[in-house]
Amino acid sequence: GQQLNQSPQSMFIQEGEDVSMNCTSSSIFNTWLWYKQDPGEGPVLLIALYKAGELTSNGRLTAQFGITRKDSFLNISASIPSDVGIYFCAGYKRGSNYKLTFGKGTLLTVNP
Amino acid sequence: DTGVSQNPRHKITKRGQNVTFRCDPISEHNRLYWYRQTLGQGPEFLTYFQNEAQLEKSRLLSDRFSAERPKGSFSTLEIQRTEQGDSAMYLCASSRTDGTEAFFGQGTRLTVV
Repeated sequence: GQQLNQSPQSMFIQEGEDVSMNCTSSSIFNTWLWYKQDPGEGPVLLIALYKAGELTSNGRLTAQFGITRKDSFLNISASIPSDVGIYFCAGYKRGSNYKLTFGKGTLLTVNP
Repeated sequence: DTGVSQNPRHKITKRGQNVTFRCDPISEHNRLYWYRQTLGQGPEFLTYFQNEAQLEKSRLLSDRFSAERPKGSFSTLEIQRTEQGDSAMYLCASSRTDGTEAFFGQGTRLTVV
């Protein structure tokens, strides 16, 4: 079963606000990935993180690989309506470079 | 379009029927993965291939499920004697050999009635 705790489960924000979400685990992860999924579509890769402490940006998105290697964070700045969707954290546990473990997702709603 | 391609996008089948899904990975990717996603959950790992070899199968993959990747290119996932509990989104992903960035297809939504 899934072993990543993702929070919050859902968020309702106003356009222009910043958003933060996180993912934690009791296990050590070697890689963290953040995906966005729209209804009826597959997940789209947003950011990949490979080193503890790493901070990586992709446009208005910034993600960090926690120094304990057991957590990761995603921030979205100046949200826009097209940011609506479900955001998933995922990672490769230490010792497994082929099987992604996913969180349950954070549903983001942006009010224009 | 050089992304991961899955067909069909949607499949409705009667309980007890067999279904087969196809995945075409990104051409230079050696690894291919199948995941299953149910409503309100993140994707769950089913199986993966390194070229044509199937190297790992999840306990979620009952004996009614079989996956192949002949010649190390496209892959098929077959479900025999479908059950209502098989209703889900079936996702295919591919990556390079080092298995880091996995790119997903658009998925096949299976509904068993």
